[in-house]
Amino acid sequence: DGGITQSPKYLFRKEGQNVTLSCEQNLNHDAMYWYRQDPGQGLRLIYYSQIVNDFQKGDIAEGYSVSREKKESFPLTVTSAQKNPTAFYLCASSILRQGRQPQHFGDGTRLSIL
Amino acid sequence: GDSVTQMEGPVTLSEEAFLTINCTYTATGYPSLFWYVQYPGEGLQLLLKATKADDKGSNKGFEATYRKETTSFHLEKGSVQVSDSAVYFCALSDQDNDMRFGAGTRLTVKP
Repeated sequence: DGGITQSPKYLFRKEGQNVTLSCEQNLNHDAMYWYRQDPGQGLRLIYYSQIVNDFQKGDIAEGYSVSREKKESFPLTVTSAQKNPTAFYLCASSILRQGRQPQHFGDGTRLSIL
Repeated sequence: GDSVTQMEGPVTLSEEAFLTINCTYTATGYPSLFWYVQYPGEGLQLLLKATKADDKGSNKGFEATYRKETTSFHLEKGSVQVSDSAVYFCALSDQDNDMRFGAGTRLTVKP
């Protein structure tokens, strides 16, 4: 079955450390997204990519970086510059003609600080 | 900017009760409106959507009607089940085609 796979499910980061969250999709979707979810808040867009080797900042891109070397993969790096990284991170995808409207979501990665 | 406000939770209901989760929006133009559901430990799933005024989205017994005059998109279900326990997010697609999500409403249905 097609879908989005995020790994790991739980991740712990030490102070000053960069960590990378994986997102892979086999839906043949062109667009991919990263969202951050905090308790009591809606999802906020970190980055999105509509095509390989191209990506755009979302509302809260500071302290994060992404790459899109393959259509299937859109990893997110949480850098040491992100001072409050503890959150639930969701990857999503959509076909391009849906605009920037995510259709499918992964099951998320929960990141915590040690 | 465009935004969505949904009723604060948590909401606790008994099985077979009637559900309403309120959602209102502020937008320039005519956004598309969505409801997503997030089951425990999972990502979001699109539940239903409406793209223009007076449209009714429906799925799995849930319904929501796009009311332009009241800028609302309330989610309803006539008889909830324990398996409906989840967090429900209202969202809109703004004029730049970006999604704006509400804060989510946690629903717990007790047997």
